[in-house]
Amino acid sequence: AQSVAQPEDQVNVAEGNPLTVKCTYSVSGNPYLFWYVQYPNRGLQFLLKYITGDNLVKGSYGFEAEFNKSQTSFHLKKPSALVSDSALYFCAVRVAGKSTFGDGTTLTVKP
Amino acid sequence: DTEVTQTPKHLVMGMTNKKSLKCEQHMGHRAMYWYKQKAKKPPELMFVYSYEKLSINESVPSRFSPECPNSSLLNLHLHALQPEDSALYLCASSQTATSGRDYEQYFGPGTRLTVT
Repeated sequence: AQSVAQPEDQVNVAEGNPLTVKCTYSVSGNPYLFWYVQYPNRGLQFLLKYITGDNLVKGSYGFEAEFNKSQTSFHLKKPSALVSDSALYFCAVRVAGKSTFGDGTTLTVKP
Repeated sequence: DTEVTQTPKHLVMGMTNKKSLKCEQHMGHRAMYWYKQKAKKPPELMFVYSYEKLSINESVPSRFSPECPNSSLLNLHLHALQPEDSALYLCASSQTATSGRDYEQYFGPGTRLTVT
């Protein structure tokens, strides 16, 4: 069975600073990994995915994620945070059409 | 058009009512999903439809009844719900749900359901 862990419930960064939201996974076989963002009272919005290929994946709104097979991690990053990036972020692993989501990390970017 | 629409946005229903949630997508996706989400928690998968056939039912109580009339529409019929069923109900779609070809999901804004 697959699982995803987001070890931080909350991440706080100052605007303009780099941000990292952490994710580790456990899955049999090749992982299909995703990041989604959820703003208050909204559905989840796809940011980026890793299927195969380059370990550094670029996505929407300046976000990127680094796949590390040896550490079974898929951390979300952004070089310069914006206040508007404040939201709830979910990492997910997808196997056989089913997505398993992490518990989520609330990102707060302060001006 | 990369939009999934859901109606209604908000729904308040009593425990004896019957109501339906509706979801629509026009992206040509052949997989559609229902999720339940409690505040600040991850979405919990309820049902998956693949090519208009129910492929996954995550042991959801029978008071929730899904229906997929065609490839663009997904309904969730509600009957005799309990207060603990109050949550945000999210619909999502993806190109397929086929193993080995895992596409991203597109989510609707959700229906906020309150059971009184």
